[in-house]
Amino acid sequence: SQQGEEDPQALSIQEGENATMNCSYKTSINNLQWYRQNSGRGLVHLILIRSNEREKHSGRLRVTLDTSKKSSSLLITASRAADTASYFCATDFGNEKLTFGTGTRLTIIP
Amino acid sequence: SQTIHQWPATLVQPVGSPLSLECTVEGTSNPNLYWYRQAAGRGLQLLFYSVGIGQISSEVPQNLSASRPQDRQFILSSKKLLLSDSGFYLCASSADRGEKLFFGSGTQLSVL
Repeated sequence: SQQGEEDPQALSIQEGENATMNCSYKTSINNLQWYRQNSGRGLVHLILIRSNEREKHSGRLRVTLDTSKKSSSLLITASRAADTASYFCATDFGNEKLTFGTGTRLTIIP
Repeated sequence: SQTIHQWPATLVQPVGSPLSLECTVEGTSNPNLYWYRQAAGRGLQLLFYSVGIGQISSEVPQNLSASRPQDRQFILSSKKLLLSDSGFYLCASSADRGEKLFFGSGTQLSVL
């Protein structure tokens, strides 16, 4: 299966702490994307990082990509209660579709 | 930016009944369109995708079908629903292959 795998499956941290989620995949990619999903809602795109990039930032989000290890990480700094959601990585293998991982469920404790 | 309209939000249907879920897209032309299904607490399974009018690719054999009668309209259908068709259905759109997806708000389908 080409599906990415997020790690950990679930994560609980105190508000204000940093949260780190990881994604691993098995074959070469064109790009990797991170999405957030609030319970019972559609997914929202966060960041796209291309295979020739190593790091990208967007506000409190930082994404890294290591193509040699076939892995990516999403760091959320200074977490807030509103960051509570599920986070998914999605990989573009060069066909017409993205393949999603199984997600990390993040809970921010006030 | 694209806006995805998907309805209804919730649907309860008896086994053996037909299904029609509609998705429309605003803000782009000739998008790639996708139907995903998500089981409770799980990841997304791609069901169908379309790169143009009348062009449908199916990812998994199943009881469902999809159609794209217009550029920005994508329909998910079934002639007879099964219990296993229950789930959270999401329509998505992208401007081009591999680019970011815009998602609708989803339909929670319960087949009883």
